[in-house]
This record gives sequence, C-alpha cells and structure tokens, in this order.
Amino acid sequence: ETGVTQSPTHLIKTRGQQVTLRCSSQSGHNTVSWYQQALGQGPQFIFQYYREEENGRGNFPPRFSGLQFPNYSSELNVNALELDDSALYLCASSSGGAGFQETQYFGPGTRLLVL
Amino acid sequence: AQKVTQAQTEISVVEKEDVTLDCVYETRDTTYYLFWYKQPPSGELVFLIRRNSFDEQNEISGRYSWNFQKSTSSFNFTITASQVVDSAVYFCALKKVNTGFQKLVFGTGTRLLVSP
Repeated sequence: ETGVTQSPTHLIKTRGQQVTLRCSSQSGHNTVSWYQQALGQGPQFIFQYYREEENGRGNFPPRFSGLQFPNYSSELNVNALELDDSALYLCASSSGGAGFQETQYFGPGTRLLVL
Repeated sequence: AQKVTQAQTEISVVEKEDVTLDCVYETRDTTYYLFWYKQPPSGELVFLIRRNSFDEQNEISGRYSWNFQKSTSSFNFTITASQVVDSAVYFCALKKVNTGFQKLVFGTGTRLLVSP
C-alpha cells in the first residue's frame, strides 16, 4: 500500500453535472498529480499541485480544475461533465523539490461514469 | 514530443513460463527517467522500477528483470517463472528531468494473463 487514498471509489453522474474527487497524499509528500485513464488506455496527465498552487498542466480544458490544501490533500473538480469524462481518475503523490524528480505513488483511483 | 509505445496489447502465458513485455520510447531529451508500473484489477498503479537514462545497467529484482538499451530506445521487462498473481496490466512510462513538474507519459499498457 502506498498510503495514497482517494474518495469516492465509484461515482455516477449525468451529463452537465459537476463532480469533486478527493485525494490524500502519502505522509511526507507535498506534491499531488492527477491523471485520467480512459478504458483501455494509459493514464493521461491532467495537472499537478505543489504547495497549494497548480504548477503544471496537461492538455485538458479549464473545466478541469483543482485545489490543494495546507495538509497537501487535493481535490479535482470537473464542471459541465461530458460523456467522454467517464474514466478512472488517479491521484499520485510525491515529494517536491530538486526538479520534481522523485517517484510518484498512486492511489486506487475513482471510477467516474457519466450518463 | 515524448511517446511510449507498448506494441503488445495482450499476452497469455501458462504459469512458470518466462515472459517479456516490450517498451519503446521516443524523446529528444538526453536525460530522462523510465518507469514500469503494474495495474491489477483493483486499479491502483503499483510502482515497480525507475531507471535514469544515464544508468544503462540491467537490473534484477527477484523474478523481475529489466533490460534498458539506449541505442534502441527500449526498456523491456521480463518476468521469470510467471505466476497467476502476475496477471495485471503493465505500463511503461517516461518522464523528463527537471521540468518543474511531475508529468509521466504512459504507454497504452500490456495486459498479461497468467493461467494455472
């Protein structure tokens, strides 16, 4: 076990709704990254939070947003849900600094289904 | 641009067989990291190994071994004497060094099925 937890485990929403996913990082880790994994695909980088600020983003629209809290836990928010947002959302934590070269450790993910 | 190719979509073996999972990557960077992760049906990505591009030594960890060949941009993973518990999807991933953020570029994964 990595010590990275995510909630909820599963979620069903309808198109147009908004969703919030949560992640608690491993003890001692101050960096959280979020990935989207569509069925049969590899994970795609959404963004990273370090010291409560977004400091890196992949090719995702602004309706994907996030937060990081002082305890380094994080939220991923998705507005105006689309059918293609159905995926496994993975959170990864690591220790920042030194060019962010440390290994990322992943949580169990949240499976989101958009109907 | 960075890219990781795992051409083997699915591999089926019988327990105790050896199996090699292929990974080919593309990058213009001279320094980078390569990773292998295992994803069991539960969904969690389990870290297996990280390799720095400067370190081309092969590595062995129990039944697992990794062959890094910079000349062919490959980072292959071999499981010796496979077991049913090895059944999972395996991902190879690539990361730039010193980008200011942690972005892993993953391949599409190889599903390994080990039958008794």
